[in-house]
Amino acid sequence: KNQVEQSPQSLIILEGKNCTLQCNYTVSPFSNLRWYKQDTGRGPVSLTIMTFSENTKSNGRYTATLDADTKQSSLHITASQLSDSASYICVVSDRGSTLGRLYFGRGTQLTVWP
Amino acid sequence: EADIYQTPRYLVIGTGKKITLECSQTMGHDKMYWYQQDPGMELHLIHYSYGVNSTEKGDLSSESTVSRIRTEHFPLTLESARPSHTSQYLCASSDGRGTGELFFGEGSRLTVL
Repeated sequence: KNQVEQSPQSLIILEGKNCTLQCNYTVSPFSNLRWYKQDTGRGPVSLTIMTFSENTKSNGRYTATLDADTKQSSLHITASQLSDSASYICVVSDRGSTLGRLYFGRGTQLTVWP
Repeated sequence: EADIYQTPRYLVIGTGKKITLECSQTMGHDKMYWYQQDPGMELHLIHYSYGVNSTEKGDLSSESTVSRIRTEHFPLTLESARPSHTSQYLCASSDGRGTGELFFGEGSRLTVL
């Protein structure tokens, strides 16, 4: 069964600190992996999209890594800010159908305290 | 910022009422989607469309229906709302090229009493 598992489920850090969120997947075949940020009561916003040939991708203070061999990805947030408080969702796309089906994780709820 | 809009943002209605959640995008995307999201849970695809007059049911069974008469418009309708329909509904669109990045609307939070 294709799955996307994220850890931790929730995380609290102090402003200015770094943190790393994890995503493990069993989706096969694999096309790409995406990280989204979802503020409370809002729609998800794309942070990064990585294909199997990309090991790392940055978007400002967000850096995503991908190990397609072990089927693991991480999202590293540097120098956290209060506005980083949100749910971070890992999404994996397969290439096994014309739909390019998406598999969603349940997200990691990050809270940044002042 | 994505040009995809959902209305209403919040809706509280009684059981048995008919409701329509509106979704419009100005990006000219052919592919549009409706997802359902409950707190702490993953998004579930309930409907999608690959273009005008094309609609398909998604992975999660839903009593809602959709239509795609115009490229930019993808409304979702519940003929008779029930408390089990209480949820967050997210509309998204994609141009379908390359990695097919999804652009989401702000969501419609539906509460059925």
